[in-house]
Amino acid sequence: DAKTTQPPSMDCAEGRAANLPCNHSTISGNEYVYWYRQIHSQGPQYIIHGLKNNETNEMASLIITEDRKSSTLILPHATLRDTAVYYCIVRVHNQGGKLIFGQGTELSVKP
Amino acid sequence: DAGVIQSPRHEVTEMGQEVTLRCKPISGHNSLFWYRQTMMRGLELLIYFNNNVPIDDSGMPEDRFSAKMPNASFSTLKIQPSEPRDSAVYFCASSLGVAGNRYEQYFGPGTRLTVT
Repeated sequence: DAKTTQPPSMDCAEGRAANLPCNHSTISGNEYVYWYRQIHSQGPQYIIHGLKNNETNEMASLIITEDRKSSTLILPHATLRDTAVYYCIVRVHNQGGKLIFGQGTELSVKP
Repeated sequence: DAGVIQSPRHEVTEMGQEVTLRCKPISGHNSLFWYRQTMMRGLELLIYFNNNVPIDDSGMPEDRFSAKMPNASFSTLKIQPSEPRDSAVYFCASSLGVAGNRYEQYFGPGTRLTVT
């Protein structure tokens, strides 16, 4: 699986958009980008995933660059409950269930 | 849907004792995963099953660890004998499978294990 690089921490004001970057310069053509988050003392929670196109769901938007070497997770209107560690993971589709978690980005949403 | 259920939520035991962690996956899910989380090593995959069969146990730290999935609705992770370095939060997760379009893993609340 390709390695990902994320900033260790970020701050965001409540109500503003939170943009979390992820670099995955060694990503292969059949590797998907997944985002999970872990709120303190809870299990990780799936957010979104994508291959090439930008994706949006009720939780967030995922913007993947054209060369696929980086992506950004966008929380459009961050709330205090979005304070968590956010993990960017790349994995090969249709090849088992492994998720390899890095250190993630600790997002602090402040009032 | 109750989600992934893990028991116990907290376990405190003495070194040398046997510890058994339990997991009930989401009904209908075919794949089950055991992870361990520590401050030093982060989240690590220990083992995963597909259709009750162990597929990859390369993350199991040593022979003291064993996992079973006797049926589609139950799995155990056993540590015997336990050591202080096994202290961690152990998460169970399940997913609809490892093929097809649905790859999201749904995690349980975890079992916090403390070995003294």
